[in-house]
Amino acid sequence: GQQVMQIPQYQHVQEGEDFTTYCNSSTTLSNIQWYKQRPGGHPVFLIQLVKSGEVKKQKRLTFQFGEAKKNSSLHITATQTTDVGTYFCAGTNSGTYKYIFGTGTRLKVLA
Amino acid sequence: NAGVTQTPKFRVLKTGQSMTLLCAQDMNHEYMYWYRQDPGMGLRLIHYSVGEGTTAKGEVPDGYNVSRLKKQNFLLGLESAAPSQTSVYFCATRRDSGTEAFFGQGTRLTVV
Repeated sequence: GQQVMQIPQYQHVQEGEDFTTYCNSSTTLSNIQWYKQRPGGHPVFLIQLVKSGEVKKQKRLTFQFGEAKKNSSLHITATQTTDVGTYFCAGTNSGTYKYIFGTGTRLKVLA
Repeated sequence: NAGVTQTPKFRVLKTGQSMTLLCAQDMNHEYMYWYRQDPGMGLRLIHYSVGEGTTAKGEVPDGYNVSRLKKQNFLLGLESAAPSQTSVYFCATRRDSGTEAFFGQGTRLTVV
């Protein structure tokens, strides 16, 4: 079955440093979504990527979808304490309705 | 407009007991999902539904049953709870297959 892995599992950074998490799927995806979960909270949608090679930006966050549509990355520039949380990718195959979530990357920002 | 509401928020069960988790949405979304979240495992899909009266298995369906008798409700049942089912359960909904998911606040279940 479809598997989605994320690395790293944990990342501690000093405030102001950059952060990147990578998402890799065992199968080609029709689209990929990214979510953020604050400690004790529920996942909240950040963005969706659909096209091969697509790059999208949201302020300090940059999202990329690989050319083969099997991997994706989220890069945060100059982290802030408000970026603390777990970041998940979620992908789906064309023709199915289920989204498989990655294992998540837990980000801790040290002030 | 409550969005996605899960009940209960917390529950402690004894091994072998049964219970039902309720997910209710007022967004008129077709797609509904149940996930469980365990440390280091991310969110794993248990069952999902693409419309009223339909259900399908996800990644980890064993030990769970679901029903979607009404469009706005998606029920997750545990017939005979086991300690391995101790987890945080999240319900999510989507308008259709290519849109964002909205999550409920979660249910923290402990089986002793």
